[in-house]
Amino acid sequence: EAQVTQNPRYLITVTGKKLTVTCSQNMNHEYMSWYRQDPGLGLRQIYYSMNVEVTDKGDVPEGYKVSRKEKRNFPLILESPSPNQTSLYFCASSPWTDGSSPLHFGNGTRLTVT
Amino acid sequence: ILNVEQSPQSLHVQEGDSTNFTCSFPSSNFYALHWYRWETAKSPEALFVMTLNGDEKKKGRISATLNTKEGYSYLYIKGSQPEDSATYLCAFEKDNQGGKLIFGQGTELSVKP
Repeated sequence: EAQVTQNPRYLITVTGKKLTVTCSQNMNHEYMSWYRQDPGLGLRQIYYSMNVEVTDKGDVPEGYKVSRKEKRNFPLILESPSPNQTSLYFCASSPWTDGSSPLHFGNGTRLTVT
Repeated sequence: ILNVEQSPQSLHVQEGDSTNFTCSFPSSNFYALHWYRWETAKSPEALFVMTLNGDEKKKGRISATLNTKEGYSYLYIKGSQPEDSATYLCAFEKDNQGGKLIFGQGTELSVKP
């Protein structure tokens, strides 16, 4: 089954404790992206990647890192999480054959930083 | 920062009503406009990706139109059903920022039986 898999689905952590949210897709998509969803603010793009070893900042990259060593994986790293990073996070992928392909979203990760 | 506005923020209709909502986006350097449907506790699912001025797309009872010159898109739902209850998101792609999608805040639709 074609899918984008995020883990974990729920995570509660403390300020400053490094964490990684994994994202994997099995559709051989070139494009992958991370978003955060906060009430009243819509989905905001954190980082995106057009291909292996190519990553770019979205609108809210501060406090996050990503890597794209393989096509299928695009982990989101929070080196020193803070309470303002409490949010619902979505990973998405797309074939991006002509720049107008729809996104396929993962099931989301709800992160709480205390 | 580019602004993508959706209205209304929320909408409550009765089963069988037809409804529509708006997505407004910058009219310059347009590349594509996406519509997604997001049910509670699930992930957003793509409805349409529209690229040409005057585009009209249809999927069952849901359809969308696009006006790139004036910077808006309408999403229509004919004969709303309770299962149409969801948040509807639009997202704008600018042509010289490949990979960057700007989402609106969404329209939350509630359909009462």
